[in-house]
Amino acid sequence: GAVVSQHPSWVICKSGTSVKIECRSLDFQATTMFWYRQFPKQSLMLMATSNEGSKATYEQGVEKDKFLINHASLTLSTLTVTSAHPEDSSFYICSAPGTGGEIFENEQFFGPGTRLTVL
Amino acid sequence: GQNIDQPTEMTATEGAIVQINCTYQTSGFNGLFWYQQHAGEAPTFLSYNVLDGLEEKGRFSSFLSRSKGYSYLLLKELQMKDSASYLCACMDSNYQLIWGAGTKLIIKP
Repeated sequence: GAVVSQHPSWVICKSGTSVKIECRSLDFQATTMFWYRQFPKQSLMLMATSNEGSKATYEQGVEKDKFLINHASLTLSTLTVTSAHPEDSSFYICSAPGTGGEIFENEQFFGPGTRLTVL
Repeated sequence: GQNIDQPTEMTATEGAIVQINCTYQTSGFNGLFWYQQHAGEAPTFLSYNVLDGLEEKGRFSSFLSRSKGYSYLLLKELQMKDSASYLCACMDSNYQLIWGAGTKLIIKP
């Protein structure tokens, strides 16, 4: 099946610094990737849709200048949390939709997630 | 607005059966997903329903009634490893996933 990786899986940083999270589709191409954020005991919240070759689409309430998204190739999307603050501490997960070869065409394949802690 | 409702927490006994319900209201409908999520990990796919009826896959089954905006996930022969959160998600007319808050399932010996 399709595999999505994320790096790093865990990061601690000081307040005010920037953190880059990578999301890669390992054995398929993804023109679209989704970035989610999940706070403890809450559901996944879609932050933005990353589009290869064009600007990302951000959900209402998500600051595009703070959460920079770059979809550099058909297998890589990056999320950069700029000037991170403690309230940005969360579990960040990316996903990529199936390409139609799966059993369920609309299936999403998730990366393992990145745990960000801002001190 | 779009809304997914599922119970916050459920408790069941090892070896028993548990049913987790999900009701939804979305703009259009392109299927309903159930995912399992262990603490600190990403969700893993369990099932997908787009037509009414029951889909069975081993110990897990998922049911959908589009007219009622209702689905359930049925887990049989519960094992301790089934302790996790179970997320219900609907795909709307724009093929965007709308997520429920998840049901934390606690399995007791």
